[in-house]
Amino acid sequence: GENVEQHPSTLSVQEGDSAVIKCTYSDSASNYFPWYKQELGKRPQLIIDIRSNVGEKKDQRIAVTLNKTAKHFSLHITETQPEDSAVYFCAGVSGGSYIPTFGRGTSLIVHP
Amino acid sequence: ETGVTQTPRHLVMGMTNKKSLKCEQHLGHNAMYWYKQSAKKPLELMFVYNFKEQTENNSVPSRFSPECPNSSHLFLHLHTLQPEDSALYLCASSQDPSVDRLGHYGYTFGSGTRLTVV
Repeated sequence: GENVEQHPSTLSVQEGDSAVIKCTYSDSASNYFPWYKQELGKRPQLIIDIRSNVGEKKDQRIAVTLNKTAKHFSLHITETQPEDSAVYFCAGVSGGSYIPTFGRGTSLIVHP
Repeated sequence: ETGVTQTPRHLVMGMTNKKSLKCEQHLGHNAMYWYKQSAKKPLELMFVYNFKEQTENNSVPSRFSPECPNSSHLFLHLHTLQPEDSALYLCASSQDPSVDRLGHYGYTFGSGTRLTVV
C-alpha cells in the first residue's frame, strides 16, 4: 500500500518568512495529492491539491509542487502570517481509490 | 458548516460508561470514516464504511463498535474505554472514488469529538 512520509514534524519561522513542507510517497499509482490545514481545536480543511499531470499549482500565498519521477511533493507558504500557524497534513490518493494516505503532519509556528 | 456534523463536540466519560458518538453528512457522499487523532501522533484510520458496508477495520479494539444505518449517518459506540483512548475522534465522508472523473475531490472532515476518559 501507499506510504507517505512528511518532514519536518515541526517548523518555526518568523512572520514574513517562507515555509516549506516536504512529502514523499511510495505508490506510483498515486495521482492526486491534497494538503490539509488543521488549526488548534478545529477540523482538517483542504487548502490546496495537485494532480499528477501538473507540476505546480499556486493559490495566492500557497503553492504546491510535484516531482513524479522522484515521488515527492512540497507545500510552499510565502509571506507567512501568525494565522498560518497550524498543523499541515499532506496526503496521497491512488487512482481508483477513495481513501487518502496521510503524512504524520507538520506543526507550523509563525512568530509575530 | 462543513456538511459533516459531529456530536457531541466534547465528551467526558468514566471507564465503565457507555456512550455514542454521532456523525451526519449532508454532502450526498457514499463513504464514511472514523479517525482517531491523539497528541503527537498521526491520523489513525479506524473504520471505513462504503455504501453502508464496513470495508476496513484497522485492528481497532472491540470496545469501539461502529454502526452505519445509512449512507448519511455513522455512529461510534464506546464502552469500557481506557484513559489512553482519550483523543479527538474525527469523522469524514467522501464519494467512492474520492476524485471523480471531473477531478473533483470531496474528502471532508467533521469538527470532531474531543473525548476524555477518566
